Amino acid sequence: ETGVTQSPTHLIKTRGQQVTLRCSSQSGHNTVSWYQQALGQGPQFIFQYYREEENGRGNFPPRFSGLQFPNYSSELNVNALELDDSALYLCASSTSLAGGSYEQYFGPGTRLTVT
Amino acid sequence: AQTVTQSQPEMSVQEAETVTLSCTYDTSESNYYLFWYKQPPSRQMILVIRQEAYKQQNATENRFSVNFQKAAKSFSLKISDSQLGDTAMYFCAFMKHTGANSKLTFGKGITLSVRP
Repeated sequence: ETGVTQSPTHLIKTRGQQVTLRCSSQSGHNTVSWYQQALGQGPQFIFQYYREEENGRGNFPPRFSGLQFPNYSSELNVNALELDDSALYLCASSTSLAGGSYEQYFGPGTRLTVT
Repeated sequence: AQTVTQSQPEMSVQEAETVTLSCTYDTSESNYYLFWYKQPPSRQMILVIRQEAYKQQNATENRFSVNFQKAAKSFSLKISDSQLGDTAMYFCAFMKHTGANSKLTFGKGITLSVRP
């Protein structure tokens, strides 16, 4: 069974640029959630995708967007990067049944630094 | 909206001893899950233990056990026979039982150091 993978591991971007982060979900999982973790804080929910559609969104602006593909992998896109976007971005996959989800398994994260 | 509070920012324990990490939460939901996740310096968030709110019995996973007090909205984690590999940040998290947007709501975390 393959676990959750994320790419890249690290990246550095300049304020105003755009970035795409990628996530491959664990085998058999149909739901992907994205979280932002600032240094020394707990993760904050960005959004969730279930069967290629957004299934809930946290308190993040529209410049944070996502996609889920037929193989359940996912992308997180952030436009017009700001310094405060510097954080660890975590992807988590899970299996959703009847509209509800259960245990979420996390990838190793992507460390984004905006300068 | 749900909130999760971890009021202890740091704790330290001697190897082989027992330590308890505290967590309180607030919700109007009656059915939900509670989790403890471990995040070592490698950053990988690892699920330690889960508790279904409808179960009265406290969950146990090897050296890890919880004290779930639903009325008090308290969910503490006890680590027995602490090992050096237990050194990590520990996060308490809440999830609604059903419905869309089944997100995890995390506390701020607690840094646990296990001393040799």
